Amino acid sequence: EIVLTQSPEFQSVTPKEKVTLTCRASQSIGISLHWYQQKPDQSPKLLITYASQSFSGVPSRFSGSGSGTDFTLTINSLEAEDAATYYCHQSSSLPYTFGQGTKLEIK
Amino acid sequence: EVQLVESGGGLVQPGGSLRLSCAASGFTFSINSMNWVRQAPGKGLEWVSYMSSTTNSIRYADSVKGRFTISRDNGKNSLYLQMNNLRVEDTAVYYCAREGPGGSWFDPWGQGTLVTVSS
Repeated sequence: EIVLTQSPEFQSVTPKEKVTLTCRASQSIGISLHWYQQKPDQSPKLLITYASQSFSGVPSRFSGSGSGTDFTLTINSLEAEDAATYYCHQSSSLPYTFGQGTKLEIK
Repeated sequence: EVQLVESGGGLVQPGGSLRLSCAASGFTFSINSMNWVRQAPGKGLEWVSYMSSTTNSIRYADSVKGRFTISRDNGKNSLYLQMNNLRVEDTAVYYCAREGPGGSWFDPWGQGTLVTVSS
């Protein structure tokens, strides 16, 4: 099973700040890494596919990068509505796995 | 509109059974692989089960193997999860999610259905 480790687990940031979240895989997964945003009492929403492809309708301030074992999700010019928990997910091999999540608080 | 709607959750005693359903609309259900993902209260996402579009490939998380059974009815655009011998640790919101092409991302997700296992 491929383990995904996200860091940090919690981050408090101010509006308009830039934030970078990381996801590290226990073995190489190529670019089979996807990012989701989950707000309280909502289901997860897809942000980034295959490490760096922005999903339809996602604001341009969200971007992803990386390959192999190290991946990042960057949010430029944070807005209050970006307060959420962010999860990475690997589809390189079954069983699919998720990172433990990064909770983002907007001050 | 592409949509998934889960149902069937509820309160059940340890050792009991439940059958979850996921109704799909707005897309060609029969050509998509589907998954179940769960989230225990206050916890992260845990992948539970996968079924390919043709039903010839099925996988389960070790935590549910032998107790849960995934199935689908392409004629009814529906996905199911039969859950037997439920444990307290199975308490969670259960989501169904459509898988993108070739083993990839999950979108959309349903709104989730809460399963509570308690005596």
